[in-house]
Amino acid sequence: AQKVTQAQTEISVVEKEDVTLDCVYETRDTTYYLFWYKQPPSGELVFLIRRNSFDEQNEISGRYSWNFQKSTSSFNFTITASQVVDSAVYFCALIWNSGNTPLVFGKGTRLSVIA
Amino acid sequence: EPEVTQTPSHQVTQMGQEVILRCVPISNHLYFYWYRQILGQKVEFLVSFYNNEISEKSEIFDDQFSVERPDGSNFTLKIRSTKLEDSAMYFCASSREQNSPLHFGNGTRLTVT
Repeated sequence: AQKVTQAQTEISVVEKEDVTLDCVYETRDTTYYLFWYKQPPSGELVFLIRRNSFDEQNEISGRYSWNFQKSTSSFNFTITASQVVDSAVYFCALIWNSGNTPLVFGKGTRLSVIA
Repeated sequence: EPEVTQTPSHQVTQMGQEVILRCVPISNHLYFYWYRQILGQKVEFLVSFYNNEISEKSEIFDDQFSVERPDGSNFTLKIRSTKLEDSAMYFCASSREQNSPLHFGNGTRLTVT
Protein backbone atom coordinates (compact mmCIF):
# COMPACT_ATOMS: atom_id res chain seq x y z
CA ALA A 1 0.00 0.00 0.00
CA GLN A 2 1.12 3.55 -0.67
CA LYS A 3 0.20 5.91 2.09
CA VAL A 4 1.31 8.74 4.30
CA THR A 5 0.71 8.82 8.04
CA GLN A 6 0.85 11.93 10.14
CA ALA A 7 0.13 10.65 13.60
CA GLN A 8 -0.03 14.08 15.24
CA THR A 9 -3.45 15.58 14.61
CA GLU A 10 -2.85 18.80 16.53
CA ILE A 11 0.16 20.36 18.21
CA SER A 12 0.24 23.48 20.30
CA VAL A 13 3.47 25.27 21.19
CA VAL A 14 4.45 28.56 22.69
CA GLU A 15 6.22 31.02 20.44
CA LYS A 16 9.98 30.47 20.14
CA GLU A 17 9.73 26.80 20.94
CA ASP A 18 11.01 24.26 18.43
CA VAL A 19 8.50 21.79 17.07
CA THR A 20 8.80 18.66 14.95
CA LEU A 21 6.02 17.36 12.75
CA ASP A 22 6.21 13.66 12.02
CA CYS A 23 5.58 11.96 8.71
CA VAL A 24 5.83 8.24 8.01
CA TYR A 25 5.23 6.86 4.56
CA GLU A 26 4.71 3.50 2.89
CA THR A 27 5.54 2.65 -0.68
CA ARG A 28 6.68 -0.39 -2.63
CA ASP A 29 8.58 1.73 -5.13
CA THR A 30 12.27 2.46 -4.85
CA THR A 31 11.80 5.77 -6.63
CA TYR A 32 9.45 8.22 -5.01
CA TYR A 33 9.15 11.84 -3.98
CA LEU A 34 8.14 13.33 -0.68
CA PHE A 35 6.65 16.76 -0.14
CA TRP A 36 5.55 19.10 2.58
CA TYR A 37 2.78 21.63 2.06
CA LYS A 38 1.54 24.34 4.37
CA GLN A 39 -2.12 25.36 4.58
CA PRO A 40 -2.48 28.61 6.54
CA PRO A 41 -5.87 29.75 7.90
CA SER A 42 -6.56 31.51 4.60
CA GLY A 43 -6.84 28.06 3.02
CA GLU A 44 -4.34 27.94 0.18
CA LEU A 45 -1.82 25.12 -0.18
CA VAL A 46 1.76 26.32 -0.22
CA PHE A 47 4.56 24.09 -1.42
CA LEU A 48 7.49 23.92 1.02
CA ILE A 49 9.84 21.17 -0.12
CA ARG A 50 10.29 18.16 -2.39
CA ARG A 51 12.76 15.37 -1.69
CA ASN A 52 13.44 12.36 -3.90
CA SER A 53 14.12 8.90 -2.55
CA PHE A 54 17.77 8.91 -3.60
CA ASP A 55 18.69 12.01 -1.69
CA GLU A 56 18.83 11.45 2.04
CA GLN A 57 20.61 14.67 2.83
CA ASN A 58 18.85 16.75 5.39
CA GLU A 59 17.81 20.19 4.29
CA ILE A 60 17.63 23.47 6.09
CA SER A 61 15.85 26.56 4.89
CA GLY A 62 15.89 29.34 7.42
CA ARG A 63 13.95 28.15 10.46
CA TYR A 64 12.71 25.07 8.62
CA SER A 65 14.57 21.79 8.42
CA TRP A 66 13.70 18.36 7.14
CA ASN A 67 15.05 15.00 8.24
CA PHE A 68 14.62 12.22 5.69
CA GLN A 69 15.42 8.71 6.91
CA LYS A 70 14.74 5.82 4.55
CA SER A 71 15.55 3.27 7.24
CA THR A 72 12.50 4.36 9.20
CA SER A 73 10.46 5.62 6.20
CA SER A 74 10.17 9.00 7.80
CA PHE A 75 10.36 12.56 6.54
CA ASN A 76 10.03 14.79 9.56
CA PHE A 77 9.77 18.56 9.54
CA THR A 78 11.17 20.79 12.26
CA ILE A 79 10.41 24.44 12.80
CA THR A 80 12.96 26.18 14.98
CA ALA A 81 12.00 29.16 17.10
CA SER A 82 8.36 28.95 16.05
CA GLN A 83 6.36 32.09 15.33
CA VAL A 84 2.65 32.82 15.36
CA VAL A 85 2.72 33.02 11.55
CA ASP A 86 3.72 29.37 11.48
CA SER A 87 0.24 28.45 12.69
CA ALA A 88 -1.24 26.32 9.91
CA VAL A 89 -2.06 22.80 8.89
CA TYR A 90 0.97 21.03 7.49
CA PHE A 91 0.58 18.16 5.05
CA CYS A 92 3.14 15.57 4.13
CA ALA A 93 2.61 13.99 0.71
CA LEU A 94 4.03 11.23 -1.45
CA ILE A 95 4.21 10.49 -5.14
CA TRP A 96 5.76 7.31 -6.48
CA ASN A 97 7.25 6.77 -9.83
CA SER A 98 5.51 3.78 -11.34
CA GLY A 99 3.02 5.22 -13.79
CA ASN A 100 1.22 8.48 -13.66
CA THR A 101 0.31 8.30 -10.01
CA PRO A 102 -1.25 11.14 -8.08
CA LEU A 103 0.17 12.98 -5.11
CA VAL A 104 -1.17 11.35 -1.95
CA PHE A 105 -1.54 13.47 1.16
CA GLY A 106 -1.42 12.60 4.81
CA LYS A 107 -4.24 13.81 7.04
CA GLY A 108 -2.25 16.83 8.13
CA THR A 109 -1.05 18.21 11.45
CA ARG A 110 -2.61 21.38 12.77
CA LEU A 111 0.06 23.51 14.41
CA SER A 112 -0.95 26.32 16.72
CA VAL A 113 1.75 28.69 17.88
CA ILE A 114 0.67 30.76 20.84
CA ALA A 115 2.20 34.15 21.56
CA GLU B 1 5.91 34.48 -9.90
CA PRO B 2 3.30 32.71 -12.05
CA GLU B 3 0.46 31.13 -10.17
CA VAL B 4 -2.58 28.95 -10.62
CA THR B 5 -5.79 30.95 -10.50
CA GLN B 6 -9.24 29.62 -9.67
CA THR B 7 -12.65 31.17 -10.07
CA PRO B 8 -14.96 31.69 -8.35
CA SER B 9 -13.52 31.70 -4.85
CA HIS B 10 -16.89 30.69 -3.43
CA GLN B 11 -19.83 29.06 -5.19
CA VAL B 12 -23.18 28.36 -3.60
CA THR B 13 -25.56 26.08 -5.46
CA GLN B 14 -28.69 24.07 -4.84
CA MET B 15 -28.69 20.32 -4.77
CA GLY B 16 -29.16 18.87 -8.23
CA GLN B 17 -27.72 21.85 -10.05
CA GLU B 18 -24.70 21.73 -12.31
CA VAL B 19 -21.59 23.68 -11.41
CA ILE B 20 -18.44 24.45 -13.31
CA LEU B 21 -15.28 25.32 -11.44
CA ARG B 22 -12.66 27.11 -13.44
CA CYS B 23 -8.90 27.10 -13.29
CA VAL B 24 -6.07 28.70 -15.20
CA PRO B 25 -2.92 26.61 -14.66
CA ILE B 26 0.58 27.97 -14.95
CA SER B 27 1.24 28.49 -18.62
CA ASN B 28 4.22 26.21 -19.21
CA HIS B 29 2.87 23.36 -17.10
CA LEU B 30 1.75 20.15 -18.74
CA TYR B 31 0.01 18.23 -15.95
CA PHE B 32 -3.23 19.34 -14.39
CA TYR B 33 -5.09 18.11 -11.35
CA TRP B 34 -8.19 18.55 -9.27
CA TYR B 35 -8.21 17.80 -5.57
CA ARG B 36 -10.86 18.39 -2.97
CA GLN B 37 -10.84 18.95 0.76
CA ILE B 38 -13.97 18.47 2.81
CA LEU B 39 -13.88 20.92 5.70
CA GLY B 40 -11.29 19.92 8.28
CA GLN B 41 -10.27 16.78 6.45
CA LYS B 42 -7.44 15.61 4.24
CA VAL B 43 -6.77 16.72 0.70
CA GLU B 44 -8.11 14.05 -1.67
CA PHE B 45 -7.13 13.41 -5.26
CA LEU B 46 -9.89 13.56 -7.85
CA VAL B 47 -8.34 13.48 -11.30
CA SER B 48 -5.20 14.16 -13.28
CA PHE B 49 -5.08 15.35 -16.88
CA TYR B 50 -2.28 15.26 -19.39
CA ASN B 51 -2.08 15.59 -23.14
CA ASN B 52 -5.78 16.45 -23.36
CA GLU B 53 -7.02 13.39 -21.61
CA ILE B 54 -7.60 12.01 -18.14
CA SER B 55 -4.55 10.07 -17.01
CA GLU B 56 -5.79 8.96 -13.61
CA LYS B 57 -8.91 9.34 -11.52
CA SER B 58 -10.00 8.32 -8.06
CA GLU B 59 -13.10 6.51 -6.88
CA ILE B 60 -14.57 9.88 -5.94
CA PHE B 61 -14.49 10.98 -9.58
CA ASP B 62 -17.63 9.19 -10.73
CA ASP B 63 -19.91 9.86 -13.69
CA GLN B 64 -21.14 13.07 -12.12
CA PHE B 65 -17.74 14.63 -12.62
CA SER B 66 -15.99 15.67 -15.80
CA VAL B 67 -12.99 17.76 -16.73
CA GLU B 68 -12.20 19.72 -19.80
CA ARG B 69 -9.48 21.88 -21.22
CA PRO B 70 -11.61 23.87 -23.65
CA ASP B 71 -8.80 26.12 -24.85
CA GLY B 72 -5.09 26.59 -24.29
CA SER B 73 -5.43 28.14 -20.88
CA ASN B 74 -8.51 27.00 -18.95
CA PHE B 75 -9.04 23.74 -17.11
CA THR B 76 -12.53 23.13 -15.78
CA LEU B 77 -14.22 20.71 -13.40
CA LYS B 78 -17.92 20.11 -13.94
CA ILE B 79 -20.24 18.47 -11.44
CA ARG B 80 -23.41 17.52 -13.27
CA SER B 81 -25.91 17.17 -10.45
CA THR B 82 -24.52 18.34 -7.15
CA LYS B 83 -25.17 16.55 -3.88
CA LEU B 84 -24.88 17.85 -0.34
CA GLU B 85 -21.74 15.77 0.15
CA ASP B 86 -20.03 17.58 -2.73
CA SER B 87 -19.64 20.58 -0.44
CA ALA B 88 -15.89 21.05 -0.11
CA MET B 89 -12.96 23.15 -1.12
CA TYR B 90 -11.84 22.23 -4.63
CA PHE B 91 -8.23 22.83 -5.53
CA CYS B 92 -6.80 22.96 -8.99
CA ALA B 93 -3.09 22.27 -9.40
CA SER B 94 -0.55 22.08 -12.17
CA SER B 95 3.00 20.83 -12.54
CA ARG B 96 5.64 21.08 -15.20
CA GLU B 97 6.67 17.44 -15.07
CA GLN B 98 5.12 14.30 -13.70
CA ASN B 99 6.93 14.29 -10.36
CA SER B 100 7.67 17.95 -9.95
CA PRO B 101 5.92 19.93 -7.22
CA LEU B 102 2.25 20.65 -7.70
CA HIS B 103 1.37 24.31 -7.57
CA PHE B 104 -2.09 24.81 -6.17
CA GLY B 105 -4.62 27.52 -6.74
CA ASN B 106 -6.34 29.20 -3.81
CA GLY B 107 -9.32 26.91 -4.17
CA THR B 108 -13.04 27.27 -4.80
CA ARG B 109 -15.26 26.69 -1.82
CA LEU B 110 -18.38 24.90 -3.06
CA THR B 111 -21.42 24.95 -0.83
CA VAL B 112 -24.35 22.77 -1.85
CA THR B 113 -27.61 23.59 -0.09
